[in-house]
Amino acid sequence: DAMVIQNPRYQVTQFGKPVTLSCSQTLNHNVMYWYQQKSSQAPKLLFHYYDKDFNNEADTPDNFQSRRPNTSFCFLDIRSPGLGDAAMYLCATSRDRGKDTEAFFGQGTRLTVV
Amino acid sequence: AQSVTQLGSHVSVSEGALVLLRCNYSSSVPPYLFWYVQYPNQGLQLLLKYTSAATLVKGINGFEAEFKKSETSFHLTKPSAHMSDAAEYFCAVSEPGNQFYFGTGTSLTVIP
Repeated sequence: DAMVIQNPRYQVTQFGKPVTLSCSQTLNHNVMYWYQQKSSQAPKLLFHYYDKDFNNEADTPDNFQSRRPNTSFCFLDIRSPGLGDAAMYLCATSRDRGKDTEAFFGQGTRLTVV
Repeated sequence: AQSVTQLGSHVSVSEGALVLLRCNYSSSVPPYLFWYVQYPNQGLQLLLKYTSAATLVKGINGFEAEFKKSETSFHLTKPSAHMSDAAEYFCAVSEPGNQFYFGTGTSLTVIP
């Protein structure tokens, strides 16, 4: 049974048109992460929520926002997608932050910007 | 700040041969280390993790890794490669209170 679910798997959006990616989890984990992964690169952490506490990475562009309305759901909003934002976006969860708890990943959403 | 370095962005092995994927870490405190595998157009799946309980860690699919503090290494091995092992492998580190940071990945090709 899928535990971290990302929708949609593939998303095509127009240059400059706002787009939202969604993630849900059935694990009741405290932490939810969003990573951006470009072709042949490592996943890059954009931000994470520890419960309701939002933690932005210093180099995450302002164009990227996130919402976590409840424990189960987390959204990634890209306000004005550029061609450089085309990537795989990975959502992950963990029971706690750091320590010895692993992250569980969704299947990812591949974003294409046209 | 913690980080991981994966030596070799591409590794090719013959089917049945030993797989060795290298990972070195940099951390000011005892780290928690992980290996993840990613198949094309998929998310990341945990192979194994080191949490200080034992230096030799066994994971899924026949993989194991040994934590060597003196060498600051956490190399991933598998005695005999299978075609289904072809994928991207990422080493990751976390420290208490911090989040995960991934290495740049190693693409494993298995030659029949």
